[in-house]
Amino acid sequence: GENVEQHPSTLSVQEGDSAVIKCTYSDSASNYFPWYKQELGKRPQLIIDIRSNVGEKKDQRIAVTLNKTAKHFSLHITETQPEDSAVYFCATSGGSYIPTFGRGTSLIVHP
Amino acid sequence: EAQVTQNPRYLITVTGKKLTVTCSQNMNHEYMSWYRQDPGLGLRQIYYSMNVEVTDKGDVPEGYKVSRKEKRNFPLILESPSPNQTSLYFCASSRLGQGENEQYFGPGTRLTVT
Repeated sequence: GENVEQHPSTLSVQEGDSAVIKCTYSDSASNYFPWYKQELGKRPQLIIDIRSNVGEKKDQRIAVTLNKTAKHFSLHITETQPEDSAVYFCATSGGSYIPTFGRGTSLIVHP
Repeated sequence: EAQVTQNPRYLITVTGKKLTVTCSQNMNHEYMSWYRQDPGLGLRQIYYSMNVEVTDKGDVPEGYKVSRKEKRNFPLILESPSPNQTSLYFCASSRLGQGENEQYFGPGTRLTVT
């Protein structure tokens, strides 16, 4: 089955810095790549996603890039703010539609 | 309002006492699943269902049962709970289709088995 590796497991940055989280996957049939944010005590919620026919997508301070050849995709957060502190999960899904999640990255933004 | 609901939100029980956690969605989603979340282990899938009366094991199904008698409901059953099932549980649902698999999560159920 699909295997998704997510790095780093913990990321600590100063407010205003950029943060990058990277995921690699194994199934070349994967075609949907969402990122979820889970704030403390809350449920995971989708923040941005990308489909396989697109290389990059931006939404204000967040962006996702996809390299299908290398089978990796990344979440970029610019000008980080304390409210960006959360656990971020990447995921993939393909022909079976069953999502596979990475193990999560705990992002800490220090004021 | 489109949503996934779970009940109860918190549960403390004793070893061996059967329990059911309910999950319901109002978005007419075909796909529903259960995850458990433990520190450092991310979201591990317990069971999933692609349609009514169709269920399949995920990565950690031991000790759990599910049923999908109606499209909107997907209860999680622990026939004989044990302390290693103490965890945070999330139900999720989504459509099935190319690039249409955004997962909608319920609010979570925190289970403690003593």
